[in-house]
Amino acid sequence: DAGVIQSPRHEVTEMGQEVTLRCKPISGHDYLFWYRQTMMRGLELLIYFNNNVPIDDSGMPEDRFSAKMPNASFSTLKIQPSEPRDSAVYFCASSPGRWTATTYEQYFGPGTRLTVT
Amino acid sequence: AQTVTQSQPEMSVQEAETVTLSCTYDTSESDYYLFWYKQPPSRQMILVIRQEAYKQQNATENRFSVNFQKAAKSFSLKISDSQLGDAAMYFCAYRTSGGSNYKLTFGKGTLLTVNP
Repeated sequence: DAGVIQSPRHEVTEMGQEVTLRCKPISGHDYLFWYRQTMMRGLELLIYFNNNVPIDDSGMPEDRFSAKMPNASFSTLKIQPSEPRDSAVYFCASSPGRWTATTYEQYFGPGTRLTVT
Repeated sequence: AQTVTQSQPEMSVQEAETVTLSCTYDTSESDYYLFWYKQPPSRQMILVIRQEAYKQQNATENRFSVNFQKAAKSFSLKISDSQLGDAAMYFCAYRTSGGSNYKLTFGKGTLLTVNP
């Protein structure tokens, strides 16, 4: 299995621009998670989906952030407009569905390092 | 809300020696899962080991083992025969087992240096 795939690996953009991060979960996984990692706040969950439906978006910082999962193999995290404080590493992770031996394990992608200047 | 605390921002160990990383957590739940993740400089998050709270036996994965003390809410990671490739940031994480909340709560991490 290819694992969780994220693109791009690095993104540099100017303040005010729209940024779209992409994620392809592991095939067959029912759960998809978006995390953000910063020095100040560590790793924090932004939002997660179950069977393409958003379950908990309480970690999304503000209305500038939005996430979608149009199908089981693709998700996007969009920031519009971007600000310098959004600079961070954004991780996507996926997890098997219920009733599997490893349903509680999350597998992470390589992350996208976002820099907003 | 659950919290996870890693009190050691940095640790170092000599190659081939043993090191223990500490983690404590706060929860009112009786059933949950605990994890250790490794993040090398490549920044990939790698699952090292997991422990189910209902299991009394400590989990072991090759050179990695945990000391799970449920009453004390402690979950330490022991790395035996340390190797240069073990150098990384290590994160302790908690997940409830109940309901549909699959959220992982992470500690701030411990940076492990392995000296040759």
